[in-house]
Amino acid sequence: DVKVTQSSRYLVKRTGEKVFLECVQDMDHENMFWYRQDPGLGLRLIYFSYDVKMKEKGDIPEGYSVSREKKERFSLILESASTNQTSMYLCASRYAGTGTYEQYFGPGTRLTVT
Amino acid sequence: AQTVTQSQPEMSVQEAETVTLSCTYDTSESDYYLFWYKQPPSRQMILVIRQEAYKQQNATENRFSVNFQKAAKSFSLKISDSQLGDAAMYFCAYTNQAGTALIFGKGTTLSVSS
Repeated sequence: DVKVTQSSRYLVKRTGEKVFLECVQDMDHENMFWYRQDPGLGLRLIYFSYDVKMKEKGDIPEGYSVSREKKERFSLILESASTNQTSMYLCASRYAGTGTYEQYFGPGTRLTVT
Repeated sequence: AQTVTQSQPEMSVQEAETVTLSCTYDTSESDYYLFWYKQPPSRQMILVIRQEAYKQQNATENRFSVNFQKAAKSFSLKISDSQLGDAAMYFCAYTNQAGTALIFGKGTTLSVSS
């Protein structure tokens, strides 16, 4: 079974702090994604990565950056956390070849910025 | 741009009954994939069912089935013999054949009563 893990389930940070959210997948998937989930808004794409060292902006990249130095790991970075970044963050991965295009999700990190 | 709309923020059903969750989408693509994901409270998002647009036959997975109407751009999920464990938020999602990020609806919260 595919396993996607995220470094923290719950995180509390102060405004202005630099925050790192880590995601690791164990199925050698090329594609990895970071989504933000807010009530009434569903999931919105922040960034995604086609492969190592490759990244593309999603719908809401402002205030975020990403890093993918190894295939299995995709990090989301909040350069200077703000209260409007309080949210649930979901990581996902997917096999890049032709197929079903199903994404596998991690358990999520609930981030609170105070 | 592709969009996914779930018009029912909340639904309720009694155990053993059947419930249908609605989803419509907008796209100019002819080949694409549609998904229903389930997110139980405080638990990981998992895939419930997928549908390839080129397949006319509606997908089924045990108690879960879809009604895929390509011309109407409609993709509803039917849950038969509802169980307490079906209580969750359900997301409808779309991806095109290039298989990049998923586009999600805003979700439907399903409650199941005994």
